[in-house]
Amino acid sequence: KNQVEQSPQSLIILEGKNCTLQCNYTVSPFSNLRWYKQDTGRGPVSLTIMTFSENTKSNGRYTATLDADTKQSSLHITASQLSDSASYICVVSEGGGFKTIFGAGTRLFVKA
Amino acid sequence: DSGVTQTPKHLITATGQRVTLRCSPRSGDLSVYWYQQSLDQGLQFLIQYYNGEERAKGNILERFSAQQFPDLHSELNLSSLELGDSALYFCASSRVGTGKDTQYFGPGTRLTVL
Repeated sequence: KNQVEQSPQSLIILEGKNCTLQCNYTVSPFSNLRWYKQDTGRGPVSLTIMTFSENTKSNGRYTATLDADTKQSSLHITASQLSDSASYICVVSEGGGFKTIFGAGTRLFVKA
Repeated sequence: DSGVTQTPKHLITATGQRVTLRCSPRSGDLSVYWYQQSLDQGLQFLIQYYNGEERAKGNILERFSAQQFPDLHSELNLSSLELGDSALYFCASSRVGTGKDTQYFGPGTRLTVL
C-alpha cells in the first residue's frame, strides 16, 4: 500500500535554531515529492517540488533533500522564525503525477 | 493571497442534505484540484480537472461529484451528507495540471454537518 510517513509528529524549537523534518514513503511508481507549509485553518503553501532526478532544492531558509533509493526526504529549516510555526506536510505523487498521497504532517512550534 | 477563491467560507447543514462548493482558479490556470481535510484523516486528494475534463480521481465518494465549467471555475457537489463529511474542503489550481507543476491552494470551505 502506498504510504507517506512523517516524523516527528510535533516539534518545539527556539527562535533562531535549525531543525529537520523527515518524510519516508513507499509510493511506487514515484513521480514527485512536495513539501507544503500550512498555517492553522488556511490552505497549504508549496515550498518545494522534487522529481526523481533532483536530490536538493531550496526555497529561502527551507532546503529539501530527496534520496529516491531509500525513499526518504527531509526538510531543513534554517534560523527559524516565529512565523515558521505551522504544519509541514510531505506529499508524494505516484504514476504520472496525478494521484497524490499526503503525510500526516509535522506540527512545528517556534518559541521566542 | 494565492489568487484562488472559494465560496462559501463556512457552511452549516444537516445530515441528508446536499451542498455545492465553488472554486475559481488563478487567472491562466487550467487545472483544478479538490481536497478534503478532516481531523482524523488529514488531507486527501479527491479529484482533478484539466480544461473541463476529469484528469485524475482519488478518494472521492460516490455521493460526491465535481465538474469544471467552460470558464474554468469548478464546483464540488456533496449529497446525502453524513456527520463524517464535516471537514475543510480545499480547491487548488495549477497552470497545466501535469502533476508536477505548482499547485496554489484556496482558503478553503469549512463544512459542518449537524
